[in-house]
Amino acid sequence: QSVLTQPPSASGTPGQRVTISCSGSRSNIGSNYVHWYQQLPGTAPRLLIYRNNQRPSGVPDRFSGSNSGTSASLAISGLRSEDEADYYCAAWDDSLSGLFGGGTKLTVL
Amino acid sequence: EVQLVESGGDLVQPGGSLRLSCAASGFTFSSYWMHWVRQAPGKGLVWVSRIKSDGSSTTYADSVKGRFTISRDNAMNTLYLQINSLRAEDTAVYYCARAGLEPGARNQLDYWGQGTLVTVSS
Repeated sequence: QSVLTQPPSASGTPGQRVTISCSGSRSNIGSNYVHWYQQLPGTAPRLLIYRNNQRPSGVPDRFSGSNSGTSASLAISGLRSEDEADYYCAAWDDSLSGLFGGGTKLTVL
Repeated sequence: EVQLVESGGDLVQPGGSLRLSCAASGFTFSSYWMHWVRQAPGKGLVWVSRIKSDGSSTTYADSVKGRFTISRDNAMNTLYLQINSLRAEDTAVYYCARAGLEPGARNQLDYWGQGTLVTVSS
């Protein structure tokens, strides 16, 4: 069981907006940056959102991140079929350990 | 172009050892902190270890402390993970990943390799 809690699944239809939550604690999300990774089927993860809400170059602005207190969220607007993937939140913990959420499998219906 | 290429994964018996390598190119390897992350078949990502740019500081997940050793050779642009006393639960794809350059980005993994599979079974 992961220290960062994500829903195991999420779904939406093309064009919809979906959000994925990530719940942690004061020692991780509450005091360190949250990053989000996208893992398409059969591929390595890629950085999607860094430092809570920043997008690397090449990531569409349909993806956005936010956080409040000990929780964070990833929002995907204008959902597309190619967004079907696993999404992971991540944060450093003050106990000197890296943490990933358990992952959320996004299905585009 | 940044490239990270892992190698060394294999089928190993319980109790055995392996050394994984990650060859880096396309960036100044000696300037970046590096990480290992693993993913068991059909499961999520799990952080394993990180090493400072000059190799002087290392950190490990509790689950691997004492059995895994991360190291690097900046002259060879290569990251390593020595894995000892292998257990069935160590079966996973092992990814190396580069952290961001700024001080606040040490745990922001901006480039990943394609992974190497370690299978522990008798």
